Amino acid sequence: EPEVTQTPSHQVTQMGQEVILRCVPISNHLYFYWYRQILGQKVEFLVSFYNNEISEKSEIFDDQFSVERPDGSNFTLKIRSTKLEDSAMYFCASSVDRAEQYFGPGTRLTVT
Amino acid sequence: QQQVKQSPQSLIVQKGGIPIINCAYENTAFDYFPWYQQFPGKGPALLIAIRPDVSEKKEGRFTISFNKSAKQFSLHIMDSQPGDSATYFCAASEGLGGYNKLIFGAGTRLAVHP
Repeated sequence: EPEVTQTPSHQVTQMGQEVILRCVPISNHLYFYWYRQILGQKVEFLVSFYNNEISEKSEIFDDQFSVERPDGSNFTLKIRSTKLEDSAMYFCASSVDRAEQYFGPGTRLTVT
Repeated sequence: QQQVKQSPQSLIVQKGGIPIINCAYENTAFDYFPWYQQFPGKGPALLIAIRPDVSEKKEGRFTISFNKSAKQFSLHIMDSQPGDSATYFCAASEGLGGYNKLIFGAGTRLAVHP
């Protein structure tokens, strides 16, 4: 069964450093998302991406964040200058239509 | 308006019991209501979903009940098993088009004791 994959599974970085989180969505899916989950809390929407552009973003997704689909298969989330409060699980999701979103296993980001 | 309120926060049942998790929303534009199951260290997995044109949907041991007038929906797990022990999230999204964000509830940690 096709699945969303994410790398790395765990990323440790120092405050102020740039990180890039990578995702490979399910191959025939057209809509891509990033969500985050701070430990023990609910899953929060960050950004949605369709047709090579951002379709919606949350207030969390400020100028420090960017997304890209560089090569038609990967979907990346970049945080330019990480802060302690960026520590969370980051989930990529994809969907073929407006409904069912399938999530990857997540990248745990730890900012020290 | 954009919130989805989920209860209870945690739930313990015996094997074979029927845990019920409830969610409520305010935004009447929400038109898609999925439930996700999450095991520790894993991503949320889509379990079952419903749209407001039906009042109930069953898939295997999982049933969603939907009350449009009350703006509430719930997940029932029939004949629960220890392997069902996980965190369950309800969610909602709105609108047409394919890029609608999911608004998640706070989650319910379910423990099914043997």
